Amino acid sequence: AQSVTQLGSHVSVSEGALVLLRCNYSSSVPPYLFWYVQYPNQGLQLLLKYTSAATLVKGINGFEAEFKKSETSFHLTKPSAHMSDAAEYFCAVSGRGANSKLTFGKGITLSVRP
Amino acid sequence: DAGVIQSPRHEVTEMGQEVTLRCKPISGHNSLFWYRQTMMRGLELLIYFNNNVPIDDSGMPEDRFSAKMPNASFSTLKIQPSEPRDSAVYFCASSFEPLGDYNEQFFGPGTRLTVL
Repeated sequence: AQSVTQLGSHVSVSEGALVLLRCNYSSSVPPYLFWYVQYPNQGLQLLLKYTSAATLVKGINGFEAEFKKSETSFHLTKPSAHMSDAAEYFCAVSGRGANSKLTFGKGITLSVRP
Repeated sequence: DAGVIQSPRHEVTEMGQEVTLRCKPISGHNSLFWYRQTMMRGLELLIYFNNNVPIDDSGMPEDRFSAKMPNASFSTLKIQPSEPRDSAVYFCASSFEPLGDYNEQFFGPGTRLTVL
């Protein structure tokens, strides 16, 4: 069984500040890990994914995440927040192979202050 | 290339009515997922199909919910009879799942259902 925990439901940062969104996972098998973003009134869009290649994964819009097995974490970061980054962010975990399901965290709403 | 298409985008109905949500996955994808998103419960997987066959429907809330995938390019999620607690945004997602590889899912824009 797999699960993800996203601590807190809301993060607020100033424009230009560091963005850090936390995700911890639990998995009985080596996981695949994902971050999705959801803008208001839209579907989810993949930001980045970890599939056991490099542990530091770079995604779209300047986001990156680092897989840390010892900490069972996959935190999402961006050096400098932009107003357009305001959205809801979901961490997700999946097993590997056929018929694996994505399990999503509760999501974190990111607000960016001018 | 068109993404996942869902219809309708918005649906308002009265309690007791039948509701049918539709999804067209990305051409070539062999897996299709139905999710429900609410403030209280977040994003929940309802059911998923692989090669048009339902693989896991353990997330379907109750018998009022049913899903079909008659062919590779179309799926429906039906609620009969609908209840106010079914009000949510319903997402369809599709992916291509070769054996032994990861499964990036592509989401549709969702159907916002309101049951009065």
